[in-house]
Order: sequence, then C-alpha cells, then structure tokens
Amino acid sequence: SQTIHQWPATLVQPVGSPLSLECTVEGTSNPNLYWYRQAAGRGLQLLFYSVGIGQISSEVPQNLSASRPQDRQFILSSKKLLLSDSGFYLCAWSAPLGFGYTFGSGTRLTVV
Amino acid sequence: DQQVKQNSPSLSVQEGRISILNCDYTNSMFDYFLWYKKYPAEGPTFLISISSIKDKNEDGRFTVFLNKSAKHLSLHIVPSQPGDSAVYFCAASLTGTASKLTFGTGTRLQVTL
Repeated sequence: SQTIHQWPATLVQPVGSPLSLECTVEGTSNPNLYWYRQAAGRGLQLLFYSVGIGQISSEVPQNLSASRPQDRQFILSSKKLLLSDSGFYLCAWSAPLGFGYTFGSGTRLTVV
Repeated sequence: DQQVKQNSPSLSVQEGRISILNCDYTNSMFDYFLWYKKYPAEGPTFLISISSIKDKNEDGRFTVFLNKSAKHLSLHIVPSQPGDSAVYFCAASLTGTASKLTFGTGTRLQVTL
C-alpha cells in the first residue's frame, strides 16, 4: 500500500534562518507531488507541484523553493525565513492520471 | 482570485441532525469535485467525490450534490455524529492539469450533543 511521510511535525525557527521540510512517498512510482500551505484562517494554498524528477512548478511567488531530487522525494526549502512563512505545510501525492490526493500529516512551522 | 468558495466559515449542528456544507465555484471547466475532512494538526483525508457527469453521489452517511448550472455543490451528512466535528474542504479539479486541486477556504463543523 502507498504511504506518505512528512517531517518534522513541528518546527520553530527564527526569522532569517534556513528551512528544509522533507516528504517521501512509498509504494508507488512516478507520483505527482504537491506542497500546500494552510495559513491561519485561510484555506489550502498550492505552493508547488511536480510531475517528475527535477520538474517543479511554482504556483505563487514567495520566499520558498521546492526540489525533487528523487522520484518519491519532495523537499520544501527557504534560505531565509520570514514571519509570514509561518503556517501548516502539507505534502500530498496523487497518481499521474488520478484524481484526488493523499496528504501527509503536516508540519506546523512557527517563525519567531 | 478564489475560484472555489466556502462562504460559511463555521457551522454548528446537533447530533443526529443533518449537516449541510456548501461550496461554490466560478470556473465552469472544473470537472471533478472532492470533499476532504481535516482534524487539527493532521493532514486532510479524502471523504467523497463526484464527477461533473453526475449530480449526486452517496457513500453511507455522506452525500454530495452537484448543481452545474449554479456552479454549486453541497455535502450532506446524516445523521451527524460528534466525530464528524472537523474542518471540511471542498476541492475542484480540471482534467489535464496534473490533477491539481483547487481548495476552498474550509468550513468548521461542530456537532454538539
């Protein structure tokens, strides 16, 4: 069966520090991968998606970047965090031609 | 530009009664719709979906209705149970867009005893 792992679960980082969140998927090949953010009082905003290794599409301009170094690994990064980067970050995967996502358990990021 | 809207940020329903969560969308090209349920500090989990070729899909206590002419869908939960208390997100998808989902802002459902 397919599983998705996301870590860490919580993170408190100072302003200006770097960020690296990792997500891995098991039990499937060539998944579509996604990073979403849920900010306080807001819905789920798509940040990045990837349909293959090295292929990253950005949905909104921001202080973050994403990379997909391996087929089932998706990384969200920042060189210098801003206060506005605080939020709940979710990784998700879907089958290449399928509908619907399976989400990871999320990372609560607080930038102080 | 919010293409998928959930205008009610919260809803309170008594246990055993029907919960109706609403969702409106603006893009008539959306052809697949889903509902997700989210508990605090957890990732959303898939609940039920509907294709644009249908107007109703039922799964146990959950039924989703789609009104394409009104660009409106709703989720009915009957009977509501305390464990249904969560945030519900509707989402919409366009064929051929890497299955990207556009989510609404969510409705927090509280089922009271």
